[in-house]
Amino acid sequence: NAGVMQNPRHLVRRRGQEARLRCSPMKGHSHVYWYRQLPEEGLKFMVYLQKENIIDESGMPKERFSAEFPKEGPSILRIQQVVRGDSAAYFCASSGTGTGGIQYFGAGTRLSVL
Amino acid sequence: AQRVTQPEKLLSVFKGAPVELKCNYSYSGSPELFWYVQYSRQRLQLLLRHISRESIKGFTADLNKGETSFHLKKPFAQEEDSAMYYCALSGSNYQLIWGAGTKLIIKP
Repeated sequence: NAGVMQNPRHLVRRRGQEARLRCSPMKGHSHVYWYRQLPEEGLKFMVYLQKENIIDESGMPKERFSAEFPKEGPSILRIQQVVRGDSAAYFCASSGTGTGGIQYFGAGTRLSVL
Repeated sequence: AQRVTQPEKLLSVFKGAPVELKCNYSYSGSPELFWYVQYSRQRLQLLLRHISRESIKGFTADLNKGETSFHLKKPFAQEEDSAMYYCALSGSNYQLIWGAGTKLIIKP
């Protein structure tokens, strides 16, 4: 089991461009969570998805940010028209019905907006 | 309201000294609590969970329902313990409710 895979590890975008972050959960896991970590700050919940459904997006900015977890393929966090304040590390975690609430984390994507 | 509070943003102790990272929670029900750790440039990983009652890397945490706390303790800190520590509570619907994190620095 390869664990939670995130790509790219580093992403550089200019202001106004789009950023797409991908997350492949652990095999057998159907729950995906996205978190943002600003420099020198703690982890902030963004969105929780199950296959083809957004369960909780209360932590996600209303504009420019969207997330999906299609039936096939990885979960995608999309940030449109990026701004400098979007520069952060974005972590994905996954869990399954048999993990007892434990979330397993990916290595993160570090987004830098120039 | 469900909430996890880690009152210390930063904790600095000398090597060999005892460490206690505080975590308080608010939850109406039987909570399941976790400590996660993030070492420098590594992914977040589970350190321990209260139901397993284990000691991992010398750390222990006891759930105190009367004080609604789940403090993380280690009797003798080591330099490799320097990391970011997060307390989390398992709520309904497979979500974790996270504390803000405590950065632990172990001074030589």
